[in-house]
Amino acid sequence: GAVVSQHPSWVICKSGTSVKIECRSLDFQATTMFWYRQFPKQSLMLMATSNEGSKATYEQGVEKDKFLINHASLTLSTLTVTSAHPEDSSFYICSQGRGDTQYFGPGTRLTVL
Amino acid sequence: GQQLNQSPQSMFIQEGEDVSMNCTSSSIFNTWLWYKQDPGEGPVLLIALYKAGELTSNGRLTAQFGITRKDSFLNISASIPSDVGIYFCAGQLGTDKLIFGTGTRLQVFP
Repeated sequence: GAVVSQHPSWVICKSGTSVKIECRSLDFQATTMFWYRQFPKQSLMLMATSNEGSKATYEQGVEKDKFLINHASLTLSTLTVTSAHPEDSSFYICSQGRGDTQYFGPGTRLTVL
Repeated sequence: GQQLNQSPQSMFIQEGEDVSMNCTSSSIFNTWLWYKQDPGEGPVLLIALYKAGELTSNGRLTAQFGITRKDSFLNISASIPSDVGIYFCAGQLGTDKLIFGTGTRLQVFP
């Protein structure tokens, strides 16, 4: 069964608005969760590593002020896309680190008009 | 960002055929993972490899961790229509972030 859930599964918003995506660990207290972005017909690219109780670690080229990550509990991490623009339209996927593997959520399709 | 080289990029095969795909890297990894992604969904873990030279099976799937720790392959035997999807390899150092391959798109015809 699913170990990671995401909400919403899809969202359409106007340019300039902010969108929050939730990632929940269903059966495991995850101190580390990861956020990925996937553009059409491309691979997953890591955006940031979310650490419970501390600041997220962002990959090179990812704007931390635009993609706000909060990991306030061991079962919930959120990604907020601030002032979204059409080029932010993508498939956002979170994952939960468990030992030497990662389990992925079902993804959130963001479309910015 | 860094990506692993995965080949072939796409495959079109007939149901019942065997499939082989591989993944190479210029860097050494301690763990190799193989995932399958269906359209509009997150990747699902198929096989995890933790030791150089390790050969692991999961049903009709077999994967090996290369001796050099820089490559891995995935074989699917007797393919069926539900094998359709995109297969990604991923390398990991310890419990650090994953580096994904470019993906192999598999299409199975009845």
